[in-house]
Amino acid sequence: SQTIHQWPATLVQPVGSPLSLECTVEGTSNPNLYWYRQAAGRGLQLLFYSVGIGQISSEVPQNLSASRPQDRQFILSSKKLLLSDSGFYLCARGRGGVYEQYFGPGTRLTVT
Amino acid sequence: AQSVAQPEDQVNVAEGNPLTVKCTYSVSGNPYLFWYVQYPNRGLQFLLKYITGDNLVKGSYGFEAEFNKSQTSFHLKKPSALVSDSALYFCAVRDSGGSYIPTFGRGTSLIVHP
Repeated sequence: SQTIHQWPATLVQPVGSPLSLECTVEGTSNPNLYWYRQAAGRGLQLLFYSVGIGQISSEVPQNLSASRPQDRQFILSSKKLLLSDSGFYLCARGRGGVYEQYFGPGTRLTVT
Repeated sequence: AQSVAQPEDQVNVAEGNPLTVKCTYSVSGNPYLFWYVQYPNRGLQFLLKYITGDNLVKGSYGFEAEFNKSQTSFHLKKPSALVSDSALYFCAVRDSGGSYIPTFGRGTSLIVHP
């Protein structure tokens, strides 16, 4: 199976604290990996995508960063969280072209 | 450039009735079109896709979608709605000559009433 794991499932953090969200993928090699944020249970905002180890593209300027230290590991980080960082964070994998994306279960982040 | 529009924020339908969730798109080349479903506090699940060939695509859970090139639409349909179909539905498009990045619509909330 091609499973995507995300942790933690939920997180409550104070403003100004650091953040680390992890995504790992099983059952496939060299996937394209994506981080999305969904606010208010609605549209998806693409934050980062990666086509390989150490290759990160950012779609939106913000206080978040991403890293891909291993082929099947994708990490979303922040040094100092803002209230506006609250949301539902989704990791996805894909292969581009004609292929659909598969999503992880998500992390609900609340910044207080 | 690629874009996708879901003109309805919410669709209400009675159980047993047919349902349609609308999607229109814009791409420079040929479109690759996708539908996903999201249940509360869950990730998106892939339902179906159109790449080429038959304009009527069948997918999971009895859903189907019809590709209409002249109207640049890819509406999601189901002949008989179930209460359990209530969820958030996303249409996505990728330009065949474009990048790895699909563009998602804003989503349509489907509510099926018993």
